[in-house]
Amino acid sequence: DAKTTQPPSMDCAEGRAANLPCNHSTISGNEYVYWYRQIHSQGPQYIIHGLKNNETNEMASLIITEDRKSSTLILPHATLRDTAVYYCIVRIYNFNKFYFGSGTKLNVKP
Amino acid sequence: EAGVVQSPRYKIIEKKQPVAFWCNPISGHNTLYWYLQNLGQGPELLIRYENEEAVDDSQLPKDRFSAERLKGVDSTLKIQPAELGDSAVYLCASSFRGHNEQFFGPGTRLTVL
Repeated sequence: DAKTTQPPSMDCAEGRAANLPCNHSTISGNEYVYWYRQIHSQGPQYIIHGLKNNETNEMASLIITEDRKSSTLILPHATLRDTAVYYCIVRIYNFNKFYFGSGTKLNVKP
Repeated sequence: EAGVVQSPRYKIIEKKQPVAFWCNPISGHNTLYWYLQNLGQGPELLIRYENEEAVDDSQLPKDRFSAERLKGVDSTLKIQPAELGDSAVYLCASSFRGHNEQFFGPGTRLTVL
């Protein structure tokens, strides 16, 4: 699986959009981009995934560049409860192995 | 629907002692995973089961770690003997075979003194 690069930490004001970048320049054509987050003292939680089209669900939006070498997870209105470590993962669809990396620690501030 | 259940949540032992962690996955999930998470790092896969078969155990330190999933439902991860460096959080996750999403339990925090 391709590896990802994420900034170690980011700050965001409560109520503002949080935009978390991820670089995956070696992604293959059959690899999907997944995002998970891990709130302190909990297990990781699935957020969203996509292949090449932008995706949106009740939690977030995923924007993937046309060349698929990078993506951005958008939390449209961040709350204090969104403070967590966010992991960007690429893997082949239906292949169960994940490589998590170190993720981005998002600090949402009042 | 109940989530992935793990016990104990916390465990403190002295080095060279054995320890075991238990995981009950979400009902109907064929695939079960054990991950190790060190402080400040992302989870790392130790072993993956498809039903009762361990299909990926390449990262499991087999000299001291063992795992089983005898009836293809709940699973036990054991360390014997524990070392200081084994202090970490041990996470269990499950998914439908071939499904996108892994569901994680809260983890067991192990401290080896």
